[in-house]
Amino acid sequence: QVQLVQSGAEVKKPGSSVKVSCKASGGTFSSYDISWVRQAPGQGLEWMGRIIPIFGTTQYAQNLQGRVTISAAEFTNTAYMELSSLRSEDTAVYYCARGLPTAKDAFDIWGQGTMVTVSS
Amino acid sequence: QSVLTQPPSVSGAPGQRVTIYCTGSSSNIGAGYDVHWYQQFPGAAPKLLIYGNNNRPSGVPDRFSGSKSGTSASLAITGLQSEDETVYFCQSYDSSLSGSVFGGGTKLTVL
Repeated sequence: QVQLVQSGAEVKKPGSSVKVSCKASGGTFSSYDISWVRQAPGQGLEWMGRIIPIFGTTQYAQNLQGRVTISAAEFTNTAYMELSSLRSEDTAVYYCARGLPTAKDAFDIWGQGTMVTVSS
Repeated sequence: QSVLTQPPSVSGAPGQRVTIYCTGSSSNIGAGYDVHWYQQFPGAAPKLLIYGNNNRPSGVPDRFSGSKSGTSASLAITGLQSEDETVYFCQSYDSSLSGSVFGGGTKLTVL
């Protein structure tokens, strides 16, 4: 069974960037969509964007366009999410998640989450 | 403000049936896009509960069911158990935003 393992917690200064990784173990993800979803403390879920690793195609949430970059390295089964120009409102748990082949917006496997704290 | 609207909380007694509603618009649920539901416990990642409006992934009890009509969808939980007490989110795709959208979440309390 595929598992998604994310990189560890980060503390960043406002204005800086953060890059979070998501590695598939126990299988590959190249033919699946990988989305990134974040959750601010005590808040709901926010979809940030997705990538289809085998094609390298990406789609981003409109409110994050220009600040978020999602990439993938097929040979290491790893996806990345980089968020720039960080502000305090970006403090959240960031998840990667795999989309179902038949319903790409249905996320059946999730990473454990990566806490990103933005603080001066 | 979430694109999909859910009640902040619902409650029910053990053994009862509860329904959580998710209201969208003509650019998401009403446009025919599928609705998915997740269950999330504190400190854990969300778990897919229902996909494609009314399909259960392997391992999800048949006490959980989903439906969709017009611009709304619902998640029904029958035979309520204490371990069902947590937060539930709905999700769909929105053509105006060209992306996936979530509801604000509903906290289920088992009385």
